[in-house]
Amino acid sequence: QVQLQESGPGLVKPSETLSLTCSVSGVSISDYSWSWIRQSPGKGLEWIGYIYSSGSANYNPSLKSRVTISGETSKNLFSLKLTSVTAADTAVYYCARGGSHSTGIDRWGQGTLVTVSS
Amino acid sequence: SYEVSQPPSVSVSPGQTASITCSGDKLGDKYTCWYQQKPGQSPVLVIYQDTKRPSGIPERFSASNSGNAATLTISGTQAMDEADYYCQAWDSSTVVFGGGTKLTVL
Repeated sequence: QVQLQESGPGLVKPSETLSLTCSVSGVSISDYSWSWIRQSPGKGLEWIGYIYSSGSANYNPSLKSRVTISGETSKNLFSLKLTSVTAADTAVYYCARGGSHSTGIDRWGQGTLVTVSS
Repeated sequence: SYEVSQPPSVSVSPGQTASITCSGDKLGDKYTCWYQQKPGQSPVLVIYQDTKRPSGIPERFSASNSGNAATLTISGTQAMDEADYYCQAWDSSTVVFGGGTKLTVL
């Protein structure tokens, strides 16, 4: 079955770049779109962006200037980079399958907490 | 930017019907999805394309979307349905989440 696993540093300093990777098993990333979503402590879901199977991406306009999502088909993973982080970027970050189509976001990783603090 | 709104909380008695609304300008012209999130867990897709249930989602979950509102309905609500529910739509290829509704079964 499809499984997604986020990985990356749990602590990032202010002004630095947050980098996360999502390893996918059970399906090729070339066959779907893939999303990053975050959730600040005690808050709701915030969509960060998604990457199409073609490799192009769409981003949340509020984060667009700081976000890059890329895919690595040879390793079957996709990644998130968020630059110039502040405490407001502290959140659980989820990688997930889907987002570009009306079929929704149908598989989610377990999420990883990233704290921005010096 | 496009926004959708949900009530912060809804309460329902066990066995009764719970309805959670999601409001947005001309939302009925867009596809919507609904997600269930229990404490400490990742969200789960319960409705896609306005009305469709993924495999494994109980029949008591249904939804509609028309005009300026989408509605998630849970018939015969069970204690296990207590969770946060999020609606989601698309606007110009961007994903928009509602703020979430905490469903309490009491």
